[in-house]
Amino acid sequence: GEDVEQSLFLSVREGDSSVINCTYTDSSSTYLYWYKQEPGAGLQLLTYIFSNMDMKQDQRLTVLLNKKDKHLSLRIADTQTGDSAIYFCAETAYSSASKIIFGSGTRLSIRP
Amino acid sequence: NAGVTQTPKFQVLKTGQSMTLQCAQDMNHEYMSWYRQDPGMGLRLIHYSVGAGITDQGEVPNGYNVSRSTTEDFPLRLLLAAPSQTSVYFCASSYGAKDTQYFGPGTRLTVL
Repeated sequence: GEDVEQSLFLSVREGDSSVINCTYTDSSSTYLYWYKQEPGAGLQLLTYIFSNMDMKQDQRLTVLLNKKDKHLSLRIADTQTGDSAIYFCAETAYSSASKIIFGSGTRLSIRP
Repeated sequence: NAGVTQTPKFQVLKTGQSMTLQCAQDMNHEYMSWYRQDPGMGLRLIHYSVGAGITDQGEVPNGYNVSRSTTEDFPLRLLLAAPSQTSVYFCASSYGAKDTQYFGPGTRLTVL
């Protein structure tokens, strides 16, 4: 079945870049997403990438996709305290066209 | 637009009680879904609906019922609450399963 895995925690210094990694198992994945969850709130879509793309950049966010290794990453440049949140990787796939599969989330904490 | 609304925000139940978690959206989205979020386990799909009158099971459907009599509403019913159902529940909607999901603020449920 489909599976999406992420490390649970990441700590970075304010102003540095954060790189959050994700691996997935379904080779038929079509869309891959990054969602952000701030404390006490629901999830908000940050960005997404189609499976036929290698990279997508959106201001401070850069998404890299390695289809061969089934590896997705989110880079946040110049990390700020407001970036503290849980970041979820998610995918949809042809094999389960009506479902989005989420990873367990990576908690990003920022140290001064 | 109010987006996706969920009620109640908090609820405490005793084992064996039943209740309904309400979810509504005013964006005319066809796709709606319920997730539960538990520490270290990310979001797990409970049930989803691709349109009025159509529902299907997700990853963890046992102990929950849903119905979709209108496009706007997608209530989640707990028939006989159990402590294992203590969790935070999120409702989400989108135009289709592969489109951006909009999440409600969540319902924190405790079953004693």
